[in-house]
Amino acid sequence: GQNIDQPTEMTATEGAIVQINCTYQTSGFNGLFWYQQHAGEAPTFLSYNVLDGLEEKGRFSSFLSRSKGYSYLLLKELQMKDSASYLCAVGDSNYQLIWGAGTKLIIKP
Amino acid sequence: IAGITQAPTSQILAAGRRMTLRCTQDMRHNAMYWYRQDLGLGLRLIHYSNTAGTTGKGEVPDGYSVSRANTDDFPLTLASAVPSQTSVYFCASSRLAGETDTQYFGPGTRLTVL
Repeated sequence: GQNIDQPTEMTATEGAIVQINCTYQTSGFNGLFWYQQHAGEAPTFLSYNVLDGLEEKGRFSSFLSRSKGYSYLLLKELQMKDSASYLCAVGDSNYQLIWGAGTKLIIKP
Repeated sequence: IAGITQAPTSQILAAGRRMTLRCTQDMRHNAMYWYRQDLGLGLRLIHYSNTAGTTGKGEVPDGYSVSRANTDDFPLTLASAVPSQTSVYFCASSRLAGETDTQYFGPGTRLTVL
C-alpha cells in the first residue's frame, strides 16, 4: 500500500528553527510537495522537490532524499503566524497526490 | 473572481437527501479534483478530471459522482447522503493534467449529514 508518515504534532518557540519530517512509501515517485494549512482554511502551496537536495525559499526550506524515501521541511525564525498544519504529499505512479495526515505545528511565545 | 470558489461554505443535510457541491475556477486549469478531509487522515481523492468531458475515480469514489461539462466547473453530487460523508470537501485545480503539478485549493465546504 501507499503510505505517508509525518509526526502528528510539534511544538516550537517563536524565533527558533523547526524541522518537520516526512517519510513515504508509494508506487512510483513523481515529486514531493509541502503545503501549509491554517485551521479552517484551505491548503496553500509551499514547496516542491523532485530531485535530491535542498530547496530554499525565504524562511522555508525543503529537503528530499529519494533513496531514503524521506523529506523534511525546515522553518527558520519562527513567527506566531507559522502556527498551522503542514501537509506532505507525494506524486505516485499515476501522477495523483498521496497526502500525509499533516503535522500540527504549535508556536509558543 | 480569482482562483477557485466553492459553494456552499457549509451545509447541514438530512441523511438520504441529494446534495451538489459546486466548484468553479477561473485560471483555465486543465485538471480539477475533489478531496475530502477528515480529522487524523490525509486528504483523500474522491474524483478528478483531466479535461472537460472526462472524469476519473480516486481513492474514495463510492457515493459520489462528478461531471465536467466545461473547463471552469466541476460539481460533486452526493446522490443519497449518509452520515459517513460528514467531512470537509475541498476542490482543487492544476494547470497540467496527467502529470504531477501544483494544486490550488478552494476554501472548502463543511458538510454535516445527520
